[in-house]
Amino acid sequence: DAKTTQPPSMDCAEGRAANLPCNHSTISGNEYVYWYRQIHSQGPQYIIHGLKNNETNEMASLIITEDRKSSTLILPHATLRDTAVYYCILSNNNAGNMLTFGGGTRLMVKP
Amino acid sequence: DSGVTQTPKHLITATGQRVTLRCSPRSGDLSVYWYQQSLDQGLQFLIQYYNGEERAKGNILERFSAQQFPDLHSELNLSSLELGDSALYFCASSKFGGSDEQFFGPGTRLTVL
Repeated sequence: DAKTTQPPSMDCAEGRAANLPCNHSTISGNEYVYWYRQIHSQGPQYIIHGLKNNETNEMASLIITEDRKSSTLILPHATLRDTAVYYCILSNNNAGNMLTFGGGTRLMVKP
Repeated sequence: DSGVTQTPKHLITATGQRVTLRCSPRSGDLSVYWYQQSLDQGLQFLIQYYNGEERAKGNILERFSAQQFPDLHSELNLSSLELGDSALYFCASSKFGGSDEQFFGPGTRLTVL
C-alpha cells in the first residue's frame, strides 16, 4: 500500500512558486517526511525533510499540517531546471532508513 | 555532484551472467544503500549497510548480494542475470544511516540481452 499520495503531474510558470502537495494520512509518530527529486534519469536528489515543524533550506520550504496528515513542498521561484519528478516519502529510523519511493509528481516548469 | 561515485556507468551483458557494481560513498559517510529503478517497478530499495554490517533489507532477490568493505566502499553482485534485471542501479550514502539525508550516485545502467 502506498503510504503517500501525490498528484501525478503539475505545471508551474517559471519564476512563480511551485506548491507540491502530499497526503500521508496514516503517518505514525516517529515517521519523518522527506522530499527528493529526480531529474530525468539522474540519481535522486535530497531536498528537505521534517518531523512536525515547518522547515526551510536554500532549496525549498516544507510545510507540515498540525495533524501531520499532509504536507506541502514549496519551491519559491521555480526555474526550468526544477523540472523533475518530486517524491514525498515517509521514513523512520527503525532498523535502517530505507526510502520507499512512490509514483511522485512530475513537475513541469514552463517559460 | 553528490560525491558518491559508481562504476561502471553502463554495463551490457547476457542472460545467465554475473556482474559486480561498485559504489564509493561520500567521504565520511558510514552508510551505503542500494536501489533499483526499472520501468515497471519504479525506484525500489534493495539493501543498506552501516559501517560494514547489513542494516536493512528490502526487495532484494536471492540472486543478488552485496557487501560493504572496511574502506566503506560497497559492491552489489548480480548473478544468473535475467532480462528483467535490466535497470538503473543507484547507490546512496549517508553519514549515520538514521534520519539523515541520503546522497545518490549517478547510477549504473545495466542492460541484459
